[in-house]
Amino acid sequence: GENVGLHLPTLSVQEGDNSIINCAYSNSASDYFIWYKQESGKGPQFIIDIRSNMDKRQGQRVTVLLNKTVKHLSLQIAATQPGDSAVYFCAENISGGTSYGKLTFGQGTILTVHP
Amino acid sequence: KAGVTQTPRYLIKTRGQQVTLSCSPISGHRSVSWYQQTPGQGLQFLFEYFSETQRNKGNFPGRFSGRQFSNSRSEMNVSTLELGDSALYLCASSLVASGSRNTQYFGPGTRLTVL
Repeated sequence: GENVGLHLPTLSVQEGDNSIINCAYSNSASDYFIWYKQESGKGPQFIIDIRSNMDKRQGQRVTVLLNKTVKHLSLQIAATQPGDSAVYFCAENISGGTSYGKLTFGQGTILTVHP
Repeated sequence: KAGVTQTPRYLIKTRGQQVTLSCSPISGHRSVSWYQQTPGQGLQFLFEYFSETQRNKGNFPGRFSGRQFSNSRSEMNVSTLELGDSALYLCASSLVASGSRNTQYFGPGTRLTVL
């Protein structure tokens, strides 16, 4: 995979379990955050996002939590399925000014779901 | 809507050559960002274009350049290729409308191998 050299954190779960993937972001000025899923041989796929004026946002089977005090994001996946197996990245963005188009990515977490 | 498309999908070049990669954004999207993904460095921002202008640039040497056309399609060019330029090059597009979040949607990438 694309990120093997980085010795990514790994999370291994059983099908049906809930998964929690964590991310520490770097810039306290970041005000927009996105979670992406990347399967082997594909580009990152948008999962869910959250703005800094929120602490929690829910989607279909996924929830993102944001703790600005400690600069921490988490992605919760309910009832994890084998098709959820992938590398998950958090990305941060400063929505104003010249940094608008730049996402800064975390190193990623490898999620493996066992049937 | 069709997603972000990138051509070619795979490319093999030799050291010293140059290469041009192409990206067509989602229809209506006006911003195109480029990223390099390698096992050692993860996902790194190269540059972003909006209205045919480079708005933001990452920390890459001048051998990496890009441009955007009036139809929002973008190309990136790498000159004098080095072995370390072998990577997956990802293009992402975003809408850029007043009040919109900078949600970037990625293409499948171009896999560049430098021999």
